[in-house]
Amino acid sequence: GENVGLHLPTLSVQEGDNSIINCAYSNSASDYFIWYKQESGKGPQFIIDIRSNMDKRQGQRVTVLLNKTVKHLSLQIAATQPGDSAVYFCAEMYMEYGNKLVFGAGTILRVKS
Amino acid sequence: KAGVTQTPRYLIKTRGQQVTLSCSPISGHRSVSWYQQTPGQGLQFLFEYFSETQRNKGNFPGRFSGRQFSNSRSEMNVSTLELGDSALYLCASSLFQGGTEAFFGQGTRLTVV
Repeated sequence: GENVGLHLPTLSVQEGDNSIINCAYSNSASDYFIWYKQESGKGPQFIIDIRSNMDKRQGQRVTVLLNKTVKHLSLQIAATQPGDSAVYFCAEMYMEYGNKLVFGAGTILRVKS
Repeated sequence: KAGVTQTPRYLIKTRGQQVTLSCSPISGHRSVSWYQQTPGQGLQFLFEYFSETQRNKGNFPGRFSGRQFSNSRSEMNVSTLELGDSALYLCASSLFQGGTEAFFGQGTRLTVV
């Protein structure tokens, strides 16, 4: 895949278990933090976002947590499925810079059946 | 509704040549951003166009340029290609400025030999 050279961290989980993917960000001024998923051979796909003035947001099977004190973002996936296997990226957006996304290195999620 | 279309999907060029990549955003989307994805550097922002104007530019040399047409279609050009320009180039479209949900195409895989 595109990110093998970065020696991305890999998270292996059993199907049906919950997954937690972590991300450390750098810019305290970012307005939004976003999670994207990239499957092999495809472009990144939006999962969920969270505004900087929130600390938790839930979607369908996913929850994003934001800890601004330690500049940490996490994505929790409930009841992980084989289709969740992908590379997950956190990204920051600062509205002053338009739609520019600053991506983290990524985490590989492998789901074992 | 058609997704983001990037052409060509694959391209092989020789050092010193130039290349033009094309991106057709989702109908109605006015913002188009370009990203370079490599194993060593991950996903990096190149530039963003909105209503035919470049709104933001990443830290890439002047050999990388782009433009957007009145129908929101965008092209990026890389002149005097170097081996290090080999990458997956991704285009993302957004409905408006400040939208966190970007829709990515499948990318153009450029190989420079």
